[in-house]
Amino acid sequence: AQSVSQHNHHVILSEAASLELGCNYSYGGTVNLFWYVQYPGQHLQLLLKYFSGDPLVKGIKGFEAEFIKSKFSFNLRKPSVQWSDTAEYFCAVIDTGGFKTIFGAGTRLFVKA
Amino acid sequence: DAGITQSPRHKVTETGTPVTLRCHQTENHRYMYWYRQDPGHGLRLIHYSYGVKDTDKGEVSDGYSVSRSKTEDFLLTLESATSSQTSVYFCAISRTGPSTDTQYFGPGTRLTVL
Repeated sequence: AQSVSQHNHHVILSEAASLELGCNYSYGGTVNLFWYVQYPGQHLQLLLKYFSGDPLVKGIKGFEAEFIKSKFSFNLRKPSVQWSDTAEYFCAVIDTGGFKTIFGAGTRLFVKA
Repeated sequence: DAGITQSPRHKVTETGTPVTLRCHQTENHRYMYWYRQDPGHGLRLIHYSYGVKDTDKGEVSDGYSVSRSKTEDFLLTLESATSSQTSVYFCAISRTGPSTDTQYFGPGTRLTVL
């Protein structure tokens, strides 16, 4: 069965620090990958997605993620975080052609002003 | 934001009572989904629909049923609520299937089963 592992459950950073959130998945076939963000009190929104092509994907608000197929990883990065990035971040995976998206447990990021 | 509403937004009920949650969309998207969000588990798919009257089970479907009689509405029913079903429930929609399209999420329903 597919699974998604997010290594850090809680991350605390100061403004302007760099961010990297880990995401690894287990599945032997071809997958599509997503990062979603949930700001406090809000619903989930898509940050970025990878379907095919360039494994370095750029999303909204300066976020990017790199798909490394050999490592089954899709880590999220941002060079300089802001207080407004405080949120919970979810990595998600789906088998291409499938209907069941598997989400990681989430990483809560708190950015100190 | 995608036109998705969920009702009710908050509900407290007692064990053994039936509960129905409603998801309504104005986007005319074909696919609709129900997820539950629990600490330490992220989101887990309960059921999904790929068209009117076409539904299928997700990862955690036991104790839940769904119905979709119109494109715009997707109902989630807990026939006899249990405390383990206390959760936040999110509806999502997509124009095409989830492997080819972004899912847009509703605001969520917080359900507490006492």
